[in-house]
Amino acid sequence: GAVVSQHPSRVICKSGTSVKIECRSLDFQATTMFWYRQFPKQSLMLMATSNEGSKATYEQGVEKDKFLINHASLTLSTLTVTSAHPEDSSFYICSASTGTGHTEAFFGQGTRLTVV
Amino acid sequence: GQNIDQPTEMTATEGAIVQINCTYQTSGFNGLFWYQQHAGEAPTFLSYNVLDGLEEKGRFSSFLSRSKGYSYLLLKELQMKDSASYLCAVMDSNYQLIWGAGTKLIIKP
Repeated sequence: GAVVSQHPSRVICKSGTSVKIECRSLDFQATTMFWYRQFPKQSLMLMATSNEGSKATYEQGVEKDKFLINHASLTLSTLTVTSAHPEDSSFYICSASTGTGHTEAFFGQGTRLTVV
Repeated sequence: GQNIDQPTEMTATEGAIVQINCTYQTSGFNGLFWYQQHAGEAPTFLSYNVLDGLEEKGRFSSFLSRSKGYSYLLLKELQMKDSASYLCAVMDSNYQLIWGAGTKLIIKP
């Protein structure tokens, strides 16, 4: 099956610093990538959808200046949490799709972000 | 609005069968997914239904009734490793995934 690699799996950073999370599709071209956030014991919350070569579409309530998403190639998307605060501590997950008609969303392993 | 409903928690016994229900109301329908998620890990794909009926895949089966806005995930011969959350998600007319809150399944010996 298709493989999506997300890195790092865990990161601890100081409040006020920025953290970059990478999401790579290893064996297919991901036209669309999705970024989710998940709080403990809650379901996934879609943050934004990114299409290769264009600006990401953010969900309502998600600050685009705080959560910078770049999808510069068909195999790589990055999420940068800028000026991180403790309330940004969460589990961040990416998923990748070959297009709107794709029937499966392939998930990365997730990144556990802790801001201290 | 769009809504996915599934029970919050279920308990079953090792070796038994359990059925996890999911009802949905969405803007359009382009398929229903079931994912398994162990604590602290990303979801893993279990099944995809776009036509009515039952899809069987080993110990797991998924059923869909589009007219009723209803699906279930059936797990047979339960094993302790099946303890996890099971997420129901529907792809709407814009090909966006609408997620349920998940059902936490507890397996007891």
